[in-house]
Amino acid sequence: GAVVSQHPSWVICKSGTSVKIECRSLDFQATTMFWYRQFPKQSLMLMATSNEGSKATYEQGVEKDKFLINHASLTLSTLTVTSAHPEDSSFYICTSGGQGDGYTFGSGTRLTVV
Amino acid sequence: AQTVTQSQPEMSVQEAETVTLSCTYDTSENNYYLFWYKQPPSRQMILVIRQEAYKQQNATENRFSVNFQKAAKSFSLKISDSQLGDTAMYFCAFISLNTDKLIFGTGTRLQVFP
Repeated sequence: GAVVSQHPSWVICKSGTSVKIECRSLDFQATTMFWYRQFPKQSLMLMATSNEGSKATYEQGVEKDKFLINHASLTLSTLTVTSAHPEDSSFYICTSGGQGDGYTFGSGTRLTVV
Repeated sequence: AQTVTQSQPEMSVQEAETVTLSCTYDTSENNYYLFWYKQPPSRQMILVIRQEAYKQQNATENRFSVNFQKAAKSFSLKISDSQLGDTAMYFCAFISLNTDKLIFGTGTRLQVFP
């Protein structure tokens, strides 16, 4: 079946630095990638939708200058958390797929900003 | 705007018993898909079952079945013969064919006891 590979699985960074999270579709072309954020014991909140070759669409309240999304190819989408602060610590998950087939999720990235 | 509500934050069931998780949603759309996802402690999102809104027949996948009531906008998940490995967070999710955004409920934490 469809596989989305997400890296890194966990990362610790210092406050003020930037962190890049990658999601790769291994056996299909992901024209669209969705990025979610999940706080502990809470639901998944959609942050943005990235489309190959065009600008990402951000959900209301999501700072697009802080969460930079790039979807340069049909198999790779990246999320860069810029100038990270402790409040950015969270679990980030990407997903792609078709509506009727359900969506394939990456394994997630646990970000801790110290 | 579409919303998904899961009114049971936590549920528990004894092994081999049956448990039902509730989900209601709100939408003005007529064509959409509904899903149940499982998130075990590893936090990998796993598709449990999906339902097309235009199908009246309830979806079934082995021990998992749904009770889809379109008029009532209800989509409950029944787990039969519960197993210890079913212990996880369960999320109900909705996607409209028009918006192409997967929206999650708040989740139900299910604990299966031996």
